[in-house]
Amino acid sequence: GDSVTQKQGQVTLSEDDFLFINCTYSTTTYPTLLWYVQYLGQGPQLLLKVTTANNKGISRGFEATYDKGTTSFHLQKASVQESDSAVYFCALVRAGNTGKLIFGLGTTLQVQP
Amino acid sequence: ETAVFQTPNYHVTQVGNEVSFNCKQTLGHDTMYWYKQDSKKLLKIMFSYNNKQLIVNETVPRRFSPQSSDKAHLNLRIKSVEPEDSAVYLCASSLDRANTGQLYFGEGSKLTVL
Repeated sequence: GDSVTQKQGQVTLSEDDFLFINCTYSTTTYPTLLWYVQYLGQGPQLLLKVTTANNKGISRGFEATYDKGTTSFHLQKASVQESDSAVYFCALVRAGNTGKLIFGLGTTLQVQP
Repeated sequence: ETAVFQTPNYHVTQVGNEVSFNCKQTLGHDTMYWYKQDSKKLLKIMFSYNNKQLIVNETVPRRFSPQSSDKAHLNLRIKSVEPEDSAVYLCASSLDRANTGQLYFGEGSKLTVL
């Protein structure tokens, strides 16, 4: 079945550090890949998505590249801020699959001032 | 700007009681979802409705039953709650059932079963 793997449960950084969150996926077709962010006390919200292999998604300083060769969709940001502290979920959705999203376990980012 | 509204935000109850969560979306979307988020933050889909029709029904205990009166409303009833039902229940909507991945979530309804 479809799956999304995020190896890092927690990442702790200082402001202006570089962020890298690992995400790999497994599916039998060509999915759309997404990153969601969940701030404390809120529901998840879409951060960025990429529908086509080898394309890059960019939003609010975050970026992720859909790499079909390594089946990866890692999230990066050059310089994090304290306000980026949240839980980040990698996800996939297959076209025509009734819109069901498959989420990774999430990575909690804590940015210290 | 919140467009998916859930009530109540918190509910504490005892094993065996019945609980209902309500959800309304003002986005004009055709499809709505219930997701369960456990204490480890794992997000799993429970149900999905498209224009009041059930389209996704994951392996969920029978004590859970969704109800949709129109495409803007999707409620969740839990008959006789169990301790493992303690979680945050998240309602979401998408433009249509094809759903390219853009879900709009509510703030969640946190259930604590004593």
